[in-house]
Amino acid sequence: SAVISQKPSRDICQRGTSLTIQCQVDSQVTMMFWYRQQPGQSLTLIATANQGSEATYESGFVIDKFPISRPNLTFSTLTVSNMSPEDSSIYLCSVDGGFNEQFFGPGTRLTVL
Amino acid sequence: RKEVEQDPGPFNVPEGATVAFNCTYSNSASQSFFWYRQDCRKEPKLLMSVYSSGNEDGRFTAQLNRASQYISLLIRDSKLSDSATYLCVVTAYNTDKLIFGTGTRLQVFP
Repeated sequence: SAVISQKPSRDICQRGTSLTIQCQVDSQVTMMFWYRQQPGQSLTLIATANQGSEATYESGFVIDKFPISRPNLTFSTLTVSNMSPEDSSIYLCSVDGGFNEQFFGPGTRLTVL
Repeated sequence: RKEVEQDPGPFNVPEGATVAFNCTYSNSASQSFFWYRQDCRKEPKLLMSVYSSGNEDGRFTAQLNRASQYISLLIRDSKLSDSATYLCVVTAYNTDKLIFGTGTRLQVFP
Protein backbone atom coordinates (compact mmCIF):
# COMPACT_ATOMS: atom_id res chain seq x y z
CA SER A 1 0.00 0.00 0.00
CA ALA A 2 1.05 3.62 -0.55
CA VAL A 3 2.71 5.68 2.16
CA ILE A 4 0.67 8.80 2.78
CA SER A 5 1.62 11.80 4.87
CA GLN A 6 -0.40 14.81 5.91
CA LYS A 7 0.60 18.23 7.17
CA PRO A 8 -0.12 19.60 9.65
CA SER A 9 -0.94 16.72 11.95
CA ARG A 10 -2.96 19.06 14.13
CA ASP A 11 -3.76 22.74 14.47
CA ILE A 12 -5.75 25.12 16.60
CA CYS A 13 -7.18 28.01 14.62
CA GLN A 14 -9.25 31.10 15.22
CA ARG A 15 -12.67 31.41 13.66
CA GLY A 16 -12.76 33.28 10.39
CA THR A 17 -9.31 32.11 9.32
CA SER A 18 -8.40 29.43 6.78
CA LEU A 19 -6.18 26.38 6.98
CA THR A 20 -4.62 24.45 4.13
CA ILE A 21 -3.94 20.76 4.67
CA GLN A 22 -1.40 18.96 2.52
CA CYS A 23 -1.47 15.33 1.48
CA GLN A 24 1.60 13.68 -0.04
CA VAL A 25 1.78 10.15 -1.46
CA ASP A 26 4.96 8.21 -2.19
CA SER A 27 3.67 6.94 -5.54
CA GLN A 28 1.55 8.26 -8.37
CA VAL A 29 -2.15 7.71 -7.87
CA THR A 30 -5.06 8.63 -10.09
CA MET A 31 -7.65 9.34 -7.45
CA MET A 32 -7.32 11.04 -4.10
CA PHE A 33 -10.13 11.65 -1.67
CA TRP A 34 -10.77 14.01 1.22
CA TYR A 35 -12.87 12.97 4.20
CA ARG A 36 -14.05 14.56 7.39
CA GLN A 37 -14.56 12.68 10.65
CA GLN A 38 -16.35 14.71 13.27
CA PRO A 39 -16.04 13.75 16.94
CA GLY A 40 -17.73 10.44 17.62
CA GLN A 41 -18.83 10.08 14.01
CA SER A 42 -17.79 8.00 11.06
CA LEU A 43 -16.10 9.28 7.93
CA THR A 44 -17.90 11.50 5.46
CA LEU A 45 -16.54 12.06 1.96
CA ILE A 46 -15.98 15.73 1.16
CA ALA A 47 -14.71 15.47 -2.40
CA THR A 48 -12.77 13.45 -4.93
CA ALA A 49 -9.63 15.12 -6.28
CA ASN A 50 -8.52 14.14 -9.78
CA GLN A 51 -5.36 15.47 -11.34
CA GLY A 52 -6.03 17.83 -14.21
CA SER A 53 -9.67 18.47 -13.45
CA GLU A 54 -11.79 20.16 -10.81
CA ALA A 55 -12.63 18.25 -7.69
CA THR A 56 -16.00 16.57 -7.43
CA TYR A 57 -17.83 17.59 -4.27
CA GLU A 58 -20.36 15.57 -2.32
CA SER A 59 -23.73 16.91 -1.29
CA GLY A 60 -23.35 19.44 1.50
CA PHE A 61 -19.81 20.46 0.59
CA VAL A 62 -18.95 23.37 -1.73
CA ILE A 63 -15.80 24.57 -3.42
CA ASP A 64 -15.90 28.01 -1.80
CA LYS A 65 -15.71 26.45 1.65
CA PHE A 66 -13.37 23.55 0.82
CA PRO A 67 -11.21 24.46 -2.18
CA ILE A 68 -9.02 21.59 -3.33
CA SER A 69 -5.91 21.53 -5.46
CA ARG A 70 -4.40 18.53 -7.25
CA PRO A 71 -1.34 19.79 -9.10
CA ASN A 72 0.17 16.34 -9.76
CA LEU A 73 -0.34 12.64 -9.19
CA THR A 74 1.33 12.57 -5.75
CA PHE A 75 0.00 15.67 -4.00
CA SER A 76 -3.24 17.40 -3.04
CA THR A 77 -4.35 20.16 -0.71
CA LEU A 78 -7.64 20.84 1.03
CA THR A 79 -8.35 24.31 2.40
CA VAL A 80 -10.93 24.83 5.11
CA SER A 81 -12.03 28.43 4.58
CA ASN A 82 -13.57 30.98 6.92
CA MET A 83 -13.55 28.46 9.74
CA SER A 84 -16.11 28.17 12.49
CA PRO A 85 -16.13 25.89 15.54
CA GLU A 86 -18.39 23.49 13.60
CA ASP A 87 -15.41 22.78 11.32
CA SER A 88 -13.52 21.21 14.22
CA SER A 89 -12.89 17.72 12.98
CA ILE A 90 -10.31 15.29 11.72
CA TYR A 91 -9.60 15.69 8.03
CA LEU A 92 -8.21 12.67 6.19
CA CYS A 93 -6.96 12.15 2.70
CA SER A 94 -6.99 8.77 1.05
CA VAL A 95 -5.86 7.20 -2.19
CA ASP A 96 -7.31 4.50 -4.37
CA GLY A 97 -5.20 1.39 -4.06
CA GLY A 98 -7.04 -0.57 -6.72
CA PHE A 99 -10.12 -2.82 -6.48
CA ASN A 100 -11.88 0.09 -4.74
CA GLU A 101 -9.62 -0.32 -1.71
CA GLN A 102 -8.58 2.99 -0.18
CA PHE A 103 -5.64 3.79 2.06
CA PHE A 104 -5.69 6.71 4.43
CA GLY A 105 -3.27 9.32 5.60
CA PRO A 106 -2.79 9.84 9.34
CA GLY A 107 -5.27 12.73 9.44
CA THR A 108 -5.19 16.36 10.48
CA ARG A 109 -6.89 17.16 13.76
CA LEU A 110 -8.38 20.66 13.53
CA THR A 111 -9.77 22.65 16.44
CA VAL A 112 -11.45 25.96 15.74
CA LEU A 113 -11.88 28.33 18.66
CA ARG B 1 -32.52 4.75 6.72
CA LYS B 2 -28.74 4.95 6.87
CA GLU B 3 -26.89 3.55 3.89
CA VAL B 4 -24.70 1.38 6.13
CA GLU B 5 -25.86 0.37 9.58
CA GLN B 6 -23.86 -1.19 12.37
CA ASP B 7 -24.44 -1.94 16.03
CA PRO B 8 -22.27 0.70 17.73
CA GLY B 9 -21.47 -1.54 20.69
CA PRO B 10 -19.33 -1.47 22.69
CA PHE B 11 -18.70 -5.18 22.70
CA ASN B 12 -16.71 -6.05 25.82
CA VAL B 13 -15.24 -9.54 25.56
CA PRO B 14 -12.54 -11.47 27.41
CA GLU B 15 -9.35 -12.58 25.73
CA GLY B 16 -9.87 -15.76 23.78
CA ALA B 17 -13.53 -15.13 23.09
CA THR B 18 -15.17 -15.26 19.68
CA VAL B 19 -17.08 -12.15 18.68
CA ALA B 20 -19.17 -11.35 15.62
CA PHE B 21 -20.15 -8.01 14.13
CA ASN B 22 -22.98 -7.47 11.70
CA CYS B 23 -23.62 -4.79 9.15
CA THR B 24 -26.50 -4.10 6.76
CA TYR B 25 -26.46 -1.90 3.69
CA SER B 26 -29.36 -0.31 1.87
CA ASN B 27 -28.18 -0.14 -1.75
CA SER B 28 -28.62 -3.50 -3.46
CA ALA B 29 -26.36 -2.31 -6.28
CA SER B 30 -23.32 -2.02 -3.99
CA GLN B 31 -20.40 -3.84 -5.54
CA SER B 32 -17.50 -3.85 -3.10
CA PHE B 33 -17.42 -4.48 0.62
CA PHE B 34 -14.77 -4.01 3.24
CA TRP B 35 -14.00 -4.09 6.92
CA TYR B 36 -11.71 -1.36 8.19
CA ARG B 37 -10.20 -1.10 11.63
CA GLN B 38 -9.73 2.25 13.36
CA ASP B 39 -7.71 2.57 16.54
CA CYS B 40 -8.35 5.50 18.86
CA ARG B 41 -7.07 8.76 17.34
CA LYS B 42 -5.70 6.95 14.28
CA GLU B 43 -6.72 6.66 10.66
CA PRO B 44 -8.83 3.73 9.39
CA LYS B 45 -6.83 0.81 8.08
CA LEU B 46 -8.09 -1.82 5.70
CA LEU B 47 -8.65 -5.08 7.55
CA MET B 48 -10.06 -7.15 4.74
CA SER B 49 -12.16 -7.06 1.64
CA VAL B 50 -15.33 -9.13 1.70
CA TYR B 51 -16.10 -11.45 -1.19
CA SER B 52 -19.30 -13.20 -2.14
CA SER B 53 -17.75 -16.56 -1.34
CA GLY B 54 -16.61 -15.36 2.06
CA ASN B 55 -13.00 -15.06 3.05
CA GLU B 56 -10.74 -15.81 5.96
CA ASP B 57 -7.51 -14.23 7.13
CA GLY B 58 -6.11 -15.91 10.20
CA ARG B 59 -8.50 -15.34 13.08
CA PHE B 60 -10.78 -13.12 10.99
CA THR B 61 -13.61 -14.35 8.78
CA ALA B 62 -15.82 -12.09 6.68
CA GLN B 63 -19.02 -13.10 4.96
CA LEU B 64 -21.38 -11.41 2.54
CA ASN B 65 -25.04 -12.19 1.99
CA ARG B 66 -26.18 -10.21 -1.04
CA ALA B 67 -29.78 -11.40 -0.83
CA SER B 68 -30.13 -10.05 2.69
CA GLN B 69 -27.70 -7.14 2.10
CA TYR B 70 -25.77 -8.21 5.14
CA ILE B 71 -22.05 -8.40 5.95
CA SER B 72 -20.45 -10.02 8.95
CA LEU B 73 -17.05 -10.14 10.60
CA LEU B 74 -16.07 -12.94 12.96
CA ILE B 75 -13.03 -12.66 15.21
CA ARG B 76 -11.85 -15.84 16.89
CA ASP B 77 -9.51 -16.11 19.87
CA SER B 78 -9.71 -12.38 20.60
CA LYS B 79 -6.51 -10.60 21.60
CA LEU B 80 -6.11 -7.43 23.63
CA SER B 81 -4.70 -5.85 20.49
CA ASP B 82 -8.00 -6.42 18.68
CA SER B 83 -9.54 -3.61 20.74
CA ALA B 84 -10.57 -0.99 18.18
CA THR B 85 -13.54 0.29 16.21
CA TYR B 86 -14.49 -1.85 13.23
CA LEU B 87 -15.97 0.01 10.29
CA CYS B 88 -18.19 -1.64 7.71
CA VAL B 89 -17.68 -0.02 4.31
CA VAL B 90 -19.43 -0.46 0.97
CA THR B 91 -19.15 1.15 -2.42
CA ALA B 92 -22.09 2.14 -4.57
CA TYR B 93 -22.52 0.67 -8.03
CA ASN B 94 -20.02 1.84 -10.63
CA THR B 95 -18.36 4.36 -8.35
CA ASP B 96 -15.24 4.67 -6.22
CA LYS B 97 -17.15 6.33 -3.42
CA LEU B 98 -16.84 4.57 -0.07
CA ILE B 99 -19.76 4.69 2.34
CA PHE B 100 -18.78 4.14 5.95
CA GLY B 101 -20.84 2.75 8.75
CA THR B 102 -20.55 4.43 12.11
CA GLY B 103 -18.45 1.57 13.43
CA THR B 104 -18.66 -1.07 16.13
CA ARG B 105 -16.40 -0.64 19.10
CA LEU B 106 -14.68 -3.73 20.49
CA GLN B 107 -12.95 -3.83 23.86
CA VAL B 108 -11.07 -7.02 24.73
CA PHE B 109 -10.19 -7.36 28.40
CA PRO B 110 -7.69 -9.66 30.16
